Amino acid sequence: KQEVTQIPAALSVPEGENLVLNCSFTDSAIYNLQWFRQDPGKGLTSLLLIQSSQREQTSGRLNASLDKSSGRSTLYIAASQPGDSATYLCAGGGGGNKLTFGTGTQLKVEL
Amino acid sequence: GAGVSQSPSNKVTEKGKDVELRCDPISGHTALYWYRQSLGQGLEFLIYFQGNSAPDKSGLPSDRFSAERTGGSVSTLTIQRTQQEDSAVYLCASSLSGRETQYFGPGTRLLVL
Repeated sequence: KQEVTQIPAALSVPEGENLVLNCSFTDSAIYNLQWFRQDPGKGLTSLLLIQSSQREQTSGRLNASLDKSSGRSTLYIAASQPGDSATYLCAGGGGGNKLTFGTGTQLKVEL
Repeated sequence: GAGVSQSPSNKVTEKGKDVELRCDPISGHTALYWYRQSLGQGLEFLIYFQGNSAPDKSGLPSDRFSAERTGGSVSTLTIQRTQQEDSAVYLCASSLSGRETQYFGPGTRLLVL
């Protein structure tokens, strides 16, 4: 059974700092790895999807990497802004692309 | 274009009542998923529909839960004889196929009293 862990559980940084969020998974037989953000009381917004054959994906200030052999993915956020404050979730896609979610990292970017 | 929509946005019900939650996926998306987000369990998979194939019900927590997808589009998640532990946010997602990005709706917040 796939298990996904995210560390840290919470993170507070000053505006402008570069930061890395970590995600680890136990079953390397994933189809893809997806990163989401969730704002309080809202649904999930997809940020990046990395297929199992890929090593990384970039979108604006976000860069996500995938290392299946070590069971790890990282989300790098450059030049963080207060608007980046949210909970970040990673999810591994298994058979049928059913997602197994981590417990999330709650990020606060302070002015 | 329109995203995934869900209704109702909030639902309060009494223990023992049945509830129906609705999901309208993005037009043209063949895959549809239901997930549940609760304080104690995080986000967990419930059920998956792909085209005309039989649904993958492996995540449903009990036989009180069922879902259908009519005409390959709208889906309804039904919870019979609701219990307090069913209180959670129920999220629906759709994707173009079974391996693409999943797009989530805003969720239905269910409270069972």
